[in-house]
Amino acid sequence: AQSVTQLGSHVSVSEGALVLLRCNYSSSVPPYLFWYVQYPNQGLQLLLKYTSAATLVKGINGFEAEFKKSETSFHLTKPSAHMSDAAEYFCAVSVSGGGNKLTFGTGTQLKVEL
Amino acid sequence: ETGVTQTPRHLVMGMTNKKSLKCEQHLGHNAMYWYKQSAKKPLELMFVYSLEERVENNSVPSRFSPECPNSSHLFLHLHTLQPEDSALYLCASSQEFLGEPYEQYFGPGTRLTVT
Repeated sequence: AQSVTQLGSHVSVSEGALVLLRCNYSSSVPPYLFWYVQYPNQGLQLLLKYTSAATLVKGINGFEAEFKKSETSFHLTKPSAHMSDAAEYFCAVSVSGGGNKLTFGTGTQLKVEL
Repeated sequence: ETGVTQTPRHLVMGMTNKKSLKCEQHLGHNAMYWYKQSAKKPLELMFVYSLEERVENNSVPSRFSPECPNSSHLFLHLHTLQPEDSALYLCASSQEFLGEPYEQYFGPGTRLTVT
């Protein structure tokens, strides 16, 4: 079975600073990895996905993530935080043949301060 | 606009009531999902429908009863719920083909409060 661990349930950054949200995965077969964002009172929106092509994946709103097999990581980054980035971020993992089952992490709440 | 709509957005019900949550997807997908999101807990997958057949039921209590009349609509029928069932219920849809993990698209959710 696959799983993801998100280190840090709360992350706070200053506006304009680097955003780094951590995700480590566990999977016995090559994983497919996703980052979703959830704004208050809304559903989850896909930010980006890794599906075994390029290891550096670019997503919406200036976010990107790098798949590092040696570190079993898929950390989410953004060079410069904006106030509108304040939200909860979820990492998720799936595998080929897994029937579209996504396993989610517990989420990281990002706070952006002036 | 995510292409997945859910109604109602908010629902308050007593433990003896019967109510239904509705989800509709306008994306031409063939798989639909119900998730439960509770505070401080990971998203819990409840049910999966693929090509209108239920393919997953994650040990969900029988007081939750899903229905998928066609590939665009998904319902969650609720009866004799407990206060701990209060949560945000999210619907999602995706393509499904030979078990490959296509991304899921989520609706805005129904905030359910059981009194």
